Amino acid sequence: NAGVMQNPRHLVRRRGQEARLRCSPMKGHSHVYWYRQLPEEGLKFMVYLQKENIIDESGMPKERFSAEFPKEGPSILRIQQVVRGDSAAYFCASSPVSGTGVTLHFGNGTRLTVT
Amino acid sequence: KNEVEQSPQNLTAQEGEFITINCSYSVGISALHWLQQHPGGGIVSLFMLSSGKKKHGRLIATINIQEKHSSLHITASHPRDSAVYICAVSSYNNNDMRFGAGTRLTVKP
Repeated sequence: NAGVMQNPRHLVRRRGQEARLRCSPMKGHSHVYWYRQLPEEGLKFMVYLQKENIIDESGMPKERFSAEFPKEGPSILRIQQVVRGDSAAYFCASSPVSGTGVTLHFGNGTRLTVT
Repeated sequence: KNEVEQSPQNLTAQEGEFITINCSYSVGISALHWLQQHPGGGIVSLFMLSSGKKKHGRLIATINIQEKHSSLHITASHPRDSAVYICAVSSYNNNDMRFGAGTRLTVKP
């Protein structure tokens, strides 16, 4: 049973380009969480999705960032018109159900570098 | 002030030493998580606890709800334990999880 798969592992974009980060949750998991880890900082929650629904996007910047989790296929975190401050590691985690008593399974992250 | 504080920030130990990493939090929680992030970046969930103590191999996690404090202990430390250890708390759901800044542990042979 494959774990949470994120790709690409590393992504380099020039300022103004778009970045697309993909996350395939563990088999049987329908809850996906995206987190951002800025250099030398802790993880910060961005968005929580279930299949076809955004449940909580309170941690996501209002502009340029969007996320989706379609019925078929991976969850996508999309950053438009990237700026240097978007350089960070982006982690996806999944769980089979919601609630605090549930262990999250994390992917290996995508390291975005904006030049 | 961060809602989740970890200490120390950095810790260097000799192989075989007993290690303690501390986590204090200032919010009401229903669960506390300890995570391990290896060089190269992948994150693994080590423990989730809401009371008492849990043990897995050489790792022990404890939590004191009244004092809002948790500790992660590593017995007989080994160089492969070198990683960043992250404490996280959640109140209602995993989407309100708050993370500490992490403790970078280096175990020297």
